[in-house]
Amino acid sequence: KAGVTQTPRYLIKTRGQQVTLSCSPISGHRSVSWYQQTPGQGLQFLFEYFSETQRNKGNFPGRFSGRQFSNSRSEMNVSTLELGDSALYLCASSVLGHPTDTQYFGPGTRLTVL
Amino acid sequence: GQQLNQSPQSMFIQEGEDVSMNCTSSSIFNTWLWYKQDPGEGPVLLIALYKAGELTSNGRLTAQFGITRKDSFLNISASIPSDVGIYFCAGLATSGTYKYIFGTGTRLKVLA
Repeated sequence: KAGVTQTPRYLIKTRGQQVTLSCSPISGHRSVSWYQQTPGQGLQFLFEYFSETQRNKGNFPGRFSGRQFSNSRSEMNVSTLELGDSALYLCASSVLGHPTDTQYFGPGTRLTVL
Repeated sequence: GQQLNQSPQSMFIQEGEDVSMNCTSSSIFNTWLWYKQDPGEGPVLLIALYKAGELTSNGRLTAQFGITRKDSFLNISASIPSDVGIYFCAGLATSGTYKYIFGTGTRLKVLA
């Protein structure tokens, strides 16, 4: 069974631009969560989608948004990029997003904002 | 953002030694997880704990869910070079909505 895939793996943008990241969950998984990982803040939860609906949300500004499609694939968008948005963005999928479900992480997208 | 306190931050050990790391929180969690992250990869789940006092093993790894539900411990016995990486704990906060709070990470380096 293929794992969680994320595209692109690396991205360089400049301040003020916007960016869209993509995540394809493991087949059969309906919950997709997004995380931001930085050296200073560690892994921070962004949001979780289930059945095309945002079910949970972390404490990030409205510039961070996402969506999920009917095939469970998810995209994350960051508008008006700031230098501090440079990070590794990870997505994780699980079957239903229940506490006892195992989350499987993708390799991440490394975003650099110049 | 909220983080769990994880210690030590980093450690260098000799191959064959045992390793211990822990994670503490000011909040109560109902689930504790331990992940390992290799360079260029996402975290991989090692052990999941769902009950206070629970002790669970996965090969050379053993983790415990603290009785107070505010801490957890991970032990690695007889370390080998491939144990190198960053170990994260994560607690699941279930008040209102499900959100995983991650620890700051312990960077482990094994000297052959």
